[in-house]
Amino acid sequence: DAGITQSPRYKITETGRQVTLMCHQTWSHSYMFWYRQDLGHGLRLIYYSAAADITDKGEVPDGYVVSRSKTENFPLTLESATRSQTSVYFCASTDQDTQYFGPGTRLTVL
Amino acid sequence: GEDVEQSLFLSVREGDSSVINCTYTDSSSTYLYWYKQEPGAGLQLLTYIFSNMDMKQDQRLTVLLNKKDKHLSLRIADTQTGDSAIYFCAERWSDKIIFGKGTRLHILP
Repeated sequence: DAGITQSPRYKITETGRQVTLMCHQTWSHSYMFWYRQDLGHGLRLIYYSAAADITDKGEVPDGYVVSRSKTENFPLTLESATRSQTSVYFCASTDQDTQYFGPGTRLTVL
Repeated sequence: GEDVEQSLFLSVREGDSSVINCTYTDSSSTYLYWYKQEPGAGLQLLTYIFSNMDMKQDQRLTVLLNKKDKHLSLRIADTQTGDSAIYFCAERWSDKIIFGKGTRLHILP
């Protein structure tokens, strides 16, 4: 099915572990984004990518790494998870007019 | 820098109209958006307006844009219990979209 998907939908991990959140879109949109959503902060941009092999930092990039080897995939890696990274993570892609969101990944870091 | 502000809460009686307001800072924004987020779900695009428009209507939804004041509003006519959600205002700035913190709409019986 066409659209934007994220996996896993739920993840529990421990402090210090590496975690990778996956994002896949079938539209061949050039732009892709990662946000985190926390109570009181709304949506905050972590990283975004204008095309394959082009990535840029957003508002809160520290502790995260992204890659974009293929247009359709935009994985987000937490290299050493911390409790402050407990959040809901949304991936999005953009066509000329509009941004479309994935269903989100709820990550808990113990 | 660019910023989008909106009130955090709104309570409306079922059947009344809801008006959710938003202000933004970048006059060069090309698109302005309203997204809806229901509990436990992702953001769903409700509607958007191009910056050269003043108004857009789509069934129960009316978007008004005042470019001079950088003010955007979303009116929901005949508010229903299914409209209970968080509504995000957003502006397109360069190659990014900047979101407000969201307005939680609570429907009173």
